Amino acid sequence: QQQVKQSPQSLIVQKGGISIINCAYENTAFDYFPWYQQFPGKGPALLIAIRPDVSEKKEGRFTISFNKSAKQFSLHIMDSQPGDSATYFCAATDNTDKLIFGTGTRLQVFP
Amino acid sequence: ETGVTQSPTHLIKTRGQQVTLRCSSQSGHNTVSWYQQALGQGPQFIFQYYREEENGRGNFPPRFSGLQFPNYSSELNVNALELDDSALYLCASTPKGRLGKGEQFFGPGTRLTVL
Repeated sequence: QQQVKQSPQSLIVQKGGISIINCAYENTAFDYFPWYQQFPGKGPALLIAIRPDVSEKKEGRFTISFNKSAKQFSLHIMDSQPGDSATYFCAATDNTDKLIFGTGTRLQVFP
Repeated sequence: ETGVTQSPTHLIKTRGQQVTLRCSSQSGHNTVSWYQQALGQGPQFIFQYYREEENGRGNFPPRFSGLQFPNYSSELNVNALELDDSALYLCASTPKGRLGKGEQFFGPGTRLTVL
């Protein structure tokens, strides 16, 4: 019940395309859903996050779509750029602050 | 504004030894959480420190212990190192007043290799 399932494991997108990464959770007590971007050898950087009271949040080229009834959320990267090539992790937590991470998606954007 | 900092960057130890990793939280933050990230996997929660006390723990044995100091910095100690302890150890801090809201900002990590 504590798992967060993430797919796909890897993603190859052409420059200018849309990258879509999906996550699903089971624990209905989760109330905060962040996405982190991680480059090799670096710590995860908070990209964008959403709470269950809204169905979508957009920041620049990054959008989170949230479906509370399906217990799913996804990250959309519009106009993907080679500099977006990194590993992306979804996560979820409740009021314990214990972040439960997905298994990660390695995104490669080719020019 | 300085972000979360960790030291050392890299560390090599042998099985059975003890190690101490250090973390300085971001300015304006007062809660520190520690995570272990094995190669190719997502980070796993070890524990959180708030007001110098452990405030939640993940599924890690007692040989993983920590401290938080009055300036909100923190240490992670691991005794009796095992080969499987080889990982990137991440520290994350939470802004004051945001405990329980999930908002955590990560440092660059310490890469621990156990031989």
